[in-house]
Amino acid sequence: AQKVTQAQTEISVVEKEDVTLDCVYETRDTTYYLFWYKQPPSGELVFLIRRNSFDEQNEISGRYSWNFQKSTSSFNFTITASQVVDSAVYFCALSEVTGYSTLTFGKGTMLLVSP
Amino acid sequence: EPEVTQTPSHQVTQMGQEVILRCVPISNHLYFYWYRQILGQKVEFLVSFYNNEISEKSEIFDDQFSVERPDGSNFTLKIRSTKLEDSAMYFCASIMGLAGTGELFFGEGSRLTVL
Repeated sequence: AQKVTQAQTEISVVEKEDVTLDCVYETRDTTYYLFWYKQPPSGELVFLIRRNSFDEQNEISGRYSWNFQKSTSSFNFTITASQVVDSAVYFCALSEVTGYSTLTFGKGTMLLVSP
Repeated sequence: EPEVTQTPSHQVTQMGQEVILRCVPISNHLYFYWYRQILGQKVEFLVSFYNNEISEKSEIFDDQFSVERPDGSNFTLKIRSTKLEDSAMYFCASIMGLAGTGELFFGEGSRLTVL
């Protein structure tokens, strides 16, 4: 069975600080996809990134970066120079490649960025 | 940008009543999903739908739940006799192919409150 663990329930930072959100996953599949979603206070789920398990290259998108370490089954997310608008719940998720691509979500990390 | 739309955004109902949540997936997408998020908890998979039939469902998706694609555009989730514990945000999602072939788009959610 698949499992996603986000051990950090809530993180509070001050604006402009860097923050890393941890994600550890378990799967028996050799090929899978990893995702990060942002859920702002308005409630919708905003897609941030999808990563194929074969691609361990780190990715940077503006202030966001992702560190995928297959050896430790981790897919951590770093926000550089955080802003108040980054305040949200962030979910890490895992999807199998076979079957119907059901997403297994972690419990989420609430990020509070204060001015 | 194409989007998944859901109605209603919020519904309040009495326990035991039937509820239908509606979704309009992105027009050229083939796979449709419903997920549920109880307040403050993680997002959980309910059901996937492909080629006019359920392709996969979770333990949560019991006989009280049903899904339908009554026409070429709508995708509905029906709860036959609502219980207090059905109170949650329900997300519809769609994808063109399976997870490896594109992004899974989520709607903004329908909040169901059962009194």
